[in-house]
Amino acid sequence: QKEVEQDPGPLSVPEGAIVSLNCTYSNSAFQYFMWYRQYSRKGPELLMYTYSSGNKEDGRFTAQVDKSSKYISLFIRDSQPSDSATYLCATRRAGNNRKLIWGLGTSLAVNP
Amino acid sequence: DVKVTQSSRYLVKRTGEKVFLECVQDMDHENMFWYRQDPGLGLRLIYFSYDVKMKEKGDIPEGYSVSREKKERFSLILESASTNQTSMYLCASTGLARTDTQYFGPGTRLTVL
Repeated sequence: QKEVEQDPGPLSVPEGAIVSLNCTYSNSAFQYFMWYRQYSRKGPELLMYTYSSGNKEDGRFTAQVDKSSKYISLFIRDSQPSDSATYLCATRRAGNNRKLIWGLGTSLAVNP
Repeated sequence: DVKVTQSSRYLVKRTGEKVFLECVQDMDHENMFWYRQDPGLGLRLIYFSYDVKMKEKGDIPEGYSVSREKKERFSLILESASTNQTSMYLCASTGLARTDTQYFGPGTRLTVL
C-alpha cells in the first residue's frame, strides 16, 4: 500500500463549480501537508501548506486536514478554466528530513 | 521569490551518451532533490542532498549519480543513457525552517533515442 493515496482522475467540472480533491495517508508520523499545482510541461508550484488539523483558506482555495482519519482535502471555490492542472498532495515527517511523500496527482479540467 | 533553474528545458541524447543535468537555486537552501516524473507513476525521488558533498539515494537511484560541489548547484548525471531514462526531470530545493517546503525548477524533458 502506498503511503499516500490520491485518485488520479481525471476530473472534469464546469466553470464555477466547487472542486474537492482528496488524499489519504497511512502514517501518523506525517505532520506537514502540502498541495502543489502543476500546469502542463511545468514544474509543480506550492499552493497550500499546513501543519495542523483544521482548515486553512487562501482566496478561492481551502486546505483541510483531518489527522484523526488521515485525510487531507483541497477545495476550490468558483473554479476557473485557469485552474485546469494536475494537483499533487504531499506530506512529510517532523524534523530536518525534508523528503516529501507524494500522491500521484489528480488531473483537473475546468470547462468554460 | 525562490528561484530554481535547470540548465535545459528540452534535451535529446543517444543511447550510451553521458548526460549532465544541472540545477541551481538562489535561496541558500541546504536541501536539494532530483526527481523524475512519468505518466501514471508520479514524482519519484532519484537522489537528494542535504549539504555540500553529501548525498542520499532516493527511491530509484539505479543508473544515476549526483554531484554537489557548491551549495547552490546540484547535478544529475546519467553515466550511460538508456531509452528507459526518457522522462521529465525535476529539481527542487528547500531550507530548514519549519515552514520551508520544496520549490521546483521548470523541469527538463529528456528524450533518449
